[in-house]
Amino acid sequence: TQLLEQSPQFLSIQEGENLTVYCNSSSVFSSLQWYRQEPGEGPVLLVTVVTGGEVKKLKRLTFQFGDARKDSSLHITAAQPGDTGLYLCADPFAGGTSYGKLTFGQGTILTVHP
Amino acid sequence: NAGVTQTPKFQVLKTGQSMTLQCAQDMNHEYMSWYRQDPGMGLRLIHYSVGAGITDQGEVPNGYNVSRSTTEDFPLRLLSAAPSQTSVYFCASSYSRTGEQYFGPGTRLTVT
Repeated sequence: TQLLEQSPQFLSIQEGENLTVYCNSSSVFSSLQWYRQEPGEGPVLLVTVVTGGEVKKLKRLTFQFGDARKDSSLHITAAQPGDTGLYLCADPFAGGTSYGKLTFGQGTILTVHP
Repeated sequence: NAGVTQTPKFQVLKTGQSMTLQCAQDMNHEYMSWYRQDPGMGLRLIHYSVGAGITDQGEVPNGYNVSRSTTEDFPLRLLSAAPSQTSVYFCASSYSRTGEQYFGPGTRLTVT
C-alpha cells in the first residue's frame, strides 16, 4: 500500500499569516485529492489534482501537484479563523486499483488564532 | 437530498457487545466505504463495496462485517466489541471509482 506522508502534523498560526501543508509519497500518484474536515463533521473535498505541475486555486487556497506526481502542497494565503480544521490528502489509486475507496495521509491540524 | 446519513451519532458499548452502525445514501452511488478515524492516523479503510451484493476488505477489517443488499444501505457490524474499536466511524459514497467521496457526519463509538 502506498504511504502518504503529510507535514507538518500540527500548525498553529495567527490570522493573516501564510502557511503551506505538504503531502509526499515514495510512489507516483495517478491523482490526488485534498479534503478539509471540521470538528464533528466528515471530510469535504477541496480539490483533485491530476496532471504533473498542475496548479489549482480555490479563493485563498493554492494547490500544486509536483512535476513527478510524487508530491503535492496546499498553500493558504492570509489565513482566517474559518480555515481552522484538519487537512487531509488522499489517493484514490492506492494499491494500484481504484474501487471508490481512498488511502489518506495522517492529516495536518491547522489552528488559526484571531 | 440528505446525502450520506449515519446513525447513531454517539454510542457506548461494553466489551463483548455487538452492534450495527447504519449508513444510507440517497444519491444512487454505486461505491460505498467505511473508515475509522483515530488521532494522528488519518482515516483508515475498513470495508468497501462497488455495488449491491459486492463487498471487500480494506486495511483494517478484523472485527467488522458488512453487507450490501441495496444500493442505498451499507451497514457496518461490530461482532464482539473491543476497546481497540473505540474510534470515530465514517461512511462515504462515490459516484465513480476515482471521484469525490461524500462523507456522513460520523459515529463516535466508545467501548469500555
